[in-house]
Amino acid sequence: QVTLKESGPVLVKPTETLALTCTVSGFSLSNPRMGVSWIRQPPGKALEWLAHIFSNDEKSYGTSLKNRLTISKDTSKSQVVLTMTNMDPVDTATYYCARIRHSGSYYFDYWGLGALVTVSS
Amino acid sequence: QSVLTQPPSVSAAPGQKVTISCSGSSSNIGNNYVSWYQQLPGTAPKLLIYDNNERPSGIPDRFSGSKSGSSATLYITGLQTGDEADYYCGTWDSSLSAGVFGGGTKLTVL
Repeated sequence: QVTLKESGPVLVKPTETLALTCTVSGFSLSNPRMGVSWIRQPPGKALEWLAHIFSNDEKSYGTSLKNRLTISKDTSKSQVVLTMTNMDPVDTATYYCARIRHSGSYYFDYWGLGALVTVSS
Repeated sequence: QSVLTQPPSVSAAPGQKVTISCSGSSSNIGNNYVSWYQQLPGTAPKLLIYDNNERPSGIPDRFSGSKSGSSATLYITGLQTGDEADYYCGTWDSSLSAGVFGGGTKLTVL
């Protein structure tokens, strides 16, 4: 059974750095056909792809947030961590991690429940 | 502004059919597979269609997809009230080297 679970702070202050952890089970982060992505959704708005990491440690970032994001993984702990610097109230959103299938295609077959992060002083 | 363009809303009566379009460019839909996601109110998105027209196990055949050029379409037949949700298309953009989504389409079953 594949599961992903996001964890991290519920509330962060402007200018602080957000660190979110995605703990996965039911598959290995070393599987070459799979990866993990972070996707966010501001309240009432659309999904926004943020970043992904593959088993070979290949990483990609969304162009608008590239300078603020870092994604990493600890395969032994089955965890993927996303850090976002210089948080702003517009970054208030539900942050999802999702498993990627990327052998020839690119789609998200399992999603976590999401973690709502509010940015406020 | 989303890279992929979807209509903000569509509606139809129970039992009817609805189509949701997703328009992109050669750098995304035109040269990559498209996936579709259903997001019921207050829940995480769920994979409906992958590789343009493939259904994961457990997804009823009322849901289907197609792709032509730089556009894709989601078809839902035999509409049910439980289908009321937001629907998103997604793909990889080879120029941006990033995943991209549409702006989402809210389906109302009248």
